Amino acid sequence: GIQVEQSPPDLILQEGANSTLRCNFSDSVNNLQWFHQNPWGQLINLFYIPSGTKQNGRLSATTVATERYSLLYISSSQTTDSGVYFCADTSGGGADGLTFGKGTHLIIQP
Amino acid sequence: ETGVTQTPRHLVMGMTNKKSLKCEQHLGHNAMYWYKQSAKKPLELMFVYSLEERVENNSVPSRFSPECPNSSHLFLHLHTLQPEDSALYLCASSPTGWPPYEQYFGPGTRLTVT
Repeated sequence: GIQVEQSPPDLILQEGANSTLRCNFSDSVNNLQWFHQNPWGQLINLFYIPSGTKQNGRLSATTVATERYSLLYISSSQTTDSGVYFCADTSGGGADGLTFGKGTHLIIQP
Repeated sequence: ETGVTQTPRHLVMGMTNKKSLKCEQHLGHNAMYWYKQSAKKPLELMFVYSLEERVENNSVPSRFSPECPNSSHLFLHLHTLQPEDSALYLCASSPTGWPPYEQYFGPGTRLTVT
Protein backbone atom coordinates (compact mmCIF):
# COMPACT_ATOMS: atom_id res chain seq x y z
CA GLY A 1 0.00 0.00 0.00
CA ILE A 2 0.87 3.66 -0.03
CA GLN A 3 3.63 4.91 2.30
CA VAL A 4 3.10 8.20 4.09
CA GLU A 5 6.03 10.09 5.59
CA GLN A 6 5.61 13.18 7.73
CA SER A 7 8.20 15.73 8.78
CA PRO A 8 9.33 16.97 11.13
CA PRO A 9 8.32 14.37 13.73
CA ASP A 10 8.49 16.97 16.51
CA LEU A 11 8.35 20.75 16.52
CA ILE A 12 8.49 23.21 19.39
CA LEU A 13 7.68 26.85 18.69
CA GLN A 14 6.89 30.04 20.52
CA GLU A 15 3.45 31.54 20.31
CA GLY A 16 3.14 33.76 17.26
CA ALA A 17 5.57 31.79 15.12
CA ASN A 18 4.75 30.30 11.73
CA SER A 19 5.33 26.67 10.81
CA THR A 20 5.25 24.35 7.83
CA LEU A 21 4.51 20.66 8.13
CA ARG A 22 5.18 18.29 5.27
CA CYS A 23 3.69 15.04 4.07
CA ASN A 24 5.35 12.89 1.37
CA PHE A 25 3.67 10.01 -0.41
CA SER A 26 5.15 7.00 -2.13
CA ASP A 27 2.41 6.83 -4.73
CA SER A 28 -0.02 9.12 -6.52
CA VAL A 29 -2.13 11.34 -4.29
CA ASN A 30 -5.81 10.43 -4.30
CA ASN A 31 -7.81 11.72 -1.33
CA LEU A 32 -5.31 13.53 0.85
CA GLN A 33 -6.53 14.83 4.18
CA TRP A 34 -5.02 16.65 7.14
CA PHE A 35 -6.09 16.09 10.74
CA HIS A 36 -5.32 17.63 14.12
CA GLN A 37 -5.45 15.69 17.38
CA ASN A 38 -5.39 17.89 20.46
CA PRO A 39 -3.58 16.90 23.67
CA TRP A 40 -6.83 15.41 25.02
CA GLY A 41 -7.18 13.06 22.07
CA GLN A 42 -9.93 14.80 20.11
CA LEU A 43 -9.33 14.40 16.39
CA ILE A 44 -10.49 17.02 13.91
CA ASN A 45 -10.55 16.84 10.13
CA LEU A 46 -8.78 20.00 8.92
CA PHE A 47 -8.65 19.75 5.14
CA TYR A 48 -9.60 17.48 2.30
CA ILE A 49 -7.07 18.54 -0.32
CA PRO A 50 -6.18 16.12 -3.13
CA SER A 51 -4.70 19.05 -5.09
CA GLY A 52 -4.35 22.81 -5.00
CA THR A 53 -4.52 25.14 -2.03
CA LYS A 54 -7.12 25.72 0.66
CA GLN A 55 -7.22 28.14 3.56
CA ASN A 56 -9.17 28.17 6.79
CA GLY A 57 -8.29 31.03 9.08
CA ARG A 58 -4.67 30.77 10.17
CA LEU A 59 -4.30 27.36 8.57
CA SER A 60 -3.72 26.63 4.93
CA ALA A 61 -2.72 23.56 2.97
CA THR A 62 -1.19 22.97 -0.43
CA THR A 63 -0.94 19.68 -2.28
CA VAL A 64 1.33 19.20 -5.28
CA ALA A 65 -0.05 15.93 -6.54
CA THR A 66 2.46 15.58 -9.39
CA GLU A 67 5.31 15.65 -6.88
CA ARG A 68 3.48 13.56 -4.25
CA TYR A 69 3.60 15.92 -1.30
CA SER A 70 1.43 18.21 0.74
CA LEU A 71 2.22 21.08 3.08
CA LEU A 72 0.27 22.40 6.03
CA TYR A 73 0.98 25.99 7.04
CA ILE A 74 0.15 27.37 10.46
CA SER A 75 0.54 31.10 10.86
CA SER A 76 0.66 33.12 14.08
CA SER A 77 0.64 29.95 16.19
CA GLN A 78 -1.43 29.81 19.35
CA THR A 79 -1.12 27.40 22.27
CA THR A 80 -4.37 25.79 21.15
CA ASP A 81 -2.58 24.67 17.97
CA SER A 82 -0.56 22.20 20.04
CA GLY A 83 -1.12 18.55 19.38
CA VAL A 84 -0.38 16.05 16.66
CA TYR A 85 -0.99 16.74 12.98
CA PHE A 86 -1.64 13.78 10.72
CA CYS A 87 -1.95 13.47 6.99
CA ALA A 88 -3.60 10.52 5.29
CA ASP A 89 -4.47 9.28 1.85
CA THR A 90 -6.20 6.36 0.19
CA SER A 91 -4.33 3.96 -2.05
CA GLY A 92 -4.99 3.35 -5.69
CA GLY A 93 -7.99 5.64 -5.93
CA GLY A 94 -10.29 2.97 -4.57
CA ALA A 95 -11.52 1.56 -1.29
CA ASP A 96 -8.09 0.42 -0.15
CA GLY A 97 -8.17 2.03 3.21
CA LEU A 98 -6.97 5.31 4.52
CA THR A 99 -3.25 5.25 5.38
CA PHE A 100 -2.03 7.68 7.99
CA GLY A 101 1.41 9.10 8.58
CA LYS A 102 2.99 8.91 12.03
CA GLY A 103 2.24 12.56 12.64
CA THR A 104 4.05 15.76 13.58
CA HIS A 105 3.93 16.51 17.28
CA LEU A 106 3.66 20.29 17.64
CA ILE A 107 4.12 22.14 20.91
CA ILE A 108 3.39 25.86 21.03
CA GLN A 109 4.87 27.51 24.08
CA PRO A 110 3.39 30.73 25.51
CA GLU B 1 -26.60 15.77 22.36
CA THR B 2 -24.72 16.90 19.31
CA GLY B 3 -21.85 15.54 17.24
CA VAL B 4 -20.43 12.08 17.74
CA THR B 5 -20.57 10.38 21.12
CA GLN B 6 -18.84 7.22 22.28
CA THR B 7 -19.44 5.02 25.30
CA PRO B 8 -17.81 3.97 27.45
CA ARG B 9 -14.95 6.43 27.56
CA HIS B 10 -12.72 3.98 29.40
CA LEU B 11 -12.88 0.19 29.48
CA VAL B 12 -10.72 -2.42 31.17
CA MET B 13 -11.38 -6.00 30.20
CA GLY B 14 -9.80 -9.40 30.59
CA MET B 15 -8.81 -11.53 27.64
CA THR B 16 -11.79 -13.84 28.14
CA ASN B 17 -14.40 -11.09 28.42
CA LYS B 18 -16.91 -9.94 25.84
CA LYS B 19 -17.69 -6.25 25.65
CA SER B 20 -19.08 -3.75 23.17
CA LEU B 21 -18.19 -0.21 22.26
CA LYS B 22 -20.96 2.11 21.18
CA CYS B 23 -20.89 5.10 18.87
CA GLU B 24 -23.76 7.43 18.08
CA GLN B 25 -23.85 10.32 15.65
CA HIS B 26 -26.39 13.14 15.74
CA LEU B 27 -25.32 14.79 12.48
CA GLY B 28 -27.56 13.04 9.99
CA HIS B 29 -24.55 11.48 8.26
CA ASN B 30 -24.71 8.38 6.10
CA ALA B 31 -21.33 6.85 6.90
CA MET B 32 -19.56 5.73 10.07
CA TYR B 33 -16.06 4.47 10.77
CA TRP B 34 -14.02 2.68 13.43
CA TYR B 35 -10.36 3.55 13.93
CA LYS B 36 -7.71 2.10 16.21
CA GLN B 37 -4.94 4.28 17.63
CA SER B 38 -2.15 2.37 19.35
CA ALA B 39 0.82 3.92 21.07
CA LYS B 40 3.65 4.63 18.65
CA LYS B 41 1.73 3.36 15.62
CA PRO B 42 -0.13 5.27 12.92
CA LEU B 43 -3.90 5.51 13.08
CA GLU B 44 -5.54 2.48 11.52
CA LEU B 45 -8.88 2.49 9.77
CA MET B 46 -10.70 -0.68 10.82
CA PHE B 47 -14.20 -0.58 9.37
CA VAL B 48 -16.31 1.64 7.14
CA TYR B 49 -20.09 1.56 6.95
CA SER B 50 -22.06 3.48 4.36
CA LEU B 51 -25.86 3.45 4.57
CA GLU B 52 -25.54 0.65 7.12
CA GLU B 53 -23.56 -1.60 4.78
CA ARG B 54 -19.90 -2.43 5.37
CA VAL B 55 -17.79 -1.09 2.52
CA GLU B 56 -14.29 -1.37 3.93
CA ASN B 57 -12.52 -3.84 6.17
CA ASN B 58 -8.77 -3.56 6.48
CA SER B 59 -7.93 -7.14 7.44
CA VAL B 60 -9.07 -6.75 11.02
CA PRO B 61 -8.92 -9.87 13.25
CA SER B 62 -12.27 -11.60 13.74
CA ARG B 63 -12.16 -10.90 17.48
CA PHE B 64 -13.40 -7.44 16.45
CA SER B 65 -16.95 -7.57 15.11
CA PRO B 66 -18.71 -4.40 13.93
CA GLU B 67 -22.43 -3.83 13.78
CA CYS B 68 -24.34 -0.94 12.24
CA PRO B 69 -28.07 -1.33 12.95
CA ASN B 70 -28.93 2.09 11.50
CA SER B 71 -27.15 5.13 10.14
CA SER B 72 -26.90 6.75 13.58
CA HIS B 73 -25.42 3.88 15.57
CA LEU B 74 -22.26 1.83 15.28
CA PHE B 75 -21.03 -0.87 17.61
CA LEU B 76 -17.75 -2.71 17.95
CA HIS B 77 -18.14 -6.07 19.65
CA LEU B 78 -15.02 -7.36 21.34
CA HIS B 79 -14.21 -10.91 22.40
CA THR B 80 -11.09 -12.82 23.42
CA LEU B 81 -8.89 -9.80 22.93
CA GLN B 82 -5.14 -9.74 23.37
CA PRO B 83 -3.08 -7.24 25.39
CA GLU B 84 -1.82 -5.72 22.13
CA ASP B 85 -5.41 -4.69 21.37
CA SER B 86 -5.14 -2.08 24.10
CA ALA B 87 -5.58 1.24 22.32
CA LEU B 88 -7.77 4.27 21.79
CA TYR B 89 -10.74 3.34 19.59
CA LEU B 90 -12.18 6.25 17.68
CA CYS B 91 -15.46 6.45 15.89
CA ALA B 92 -16.20 8.95 13.13
CA SER B 93 -19.04 9.85 10.81
CA SER B 94 -19.22 11.70 7.51
CA PRO B 95 -21.88 12.74 5.00
CA THR B 96 -20.52 10.33 2.39
CA GLY B 97 -19.07 6.84 2.59
CA TRP B 98 -15.94 6.55 0.51
CA PRO B 99 -13.64 8.36 0.30
CA PRO B 100 -14.34 9.78 3.73
CA TYR B 101 -14.73 13.53 3.35
CA GLU B 102 -15.36 15.78 6.34
CA GLN B 103 -15.19 13.21 9.09
CA TYR B 104 -16.37 14.16 12.55
CA PHE B 105 -14.74 12.16 15.34
CA GLY B 106 -15.96 11.07 18.72
CA PRO B 107 -13.83 11.43 21.86
CA GLY B 108 -12.75 7.79 21.76
CA THR B 109 -12.84 4.80 24.08
CA ARG B 110 -9.60 4.04 25.88
CA LEU B 111 -9.43 0.23 26.03
CA THR B 112 -7.07 -1.70 28.25
CA VAL B 113 -6.88 -5.48 27.91
CA THR B 114 -5.41 -7.26 30.92
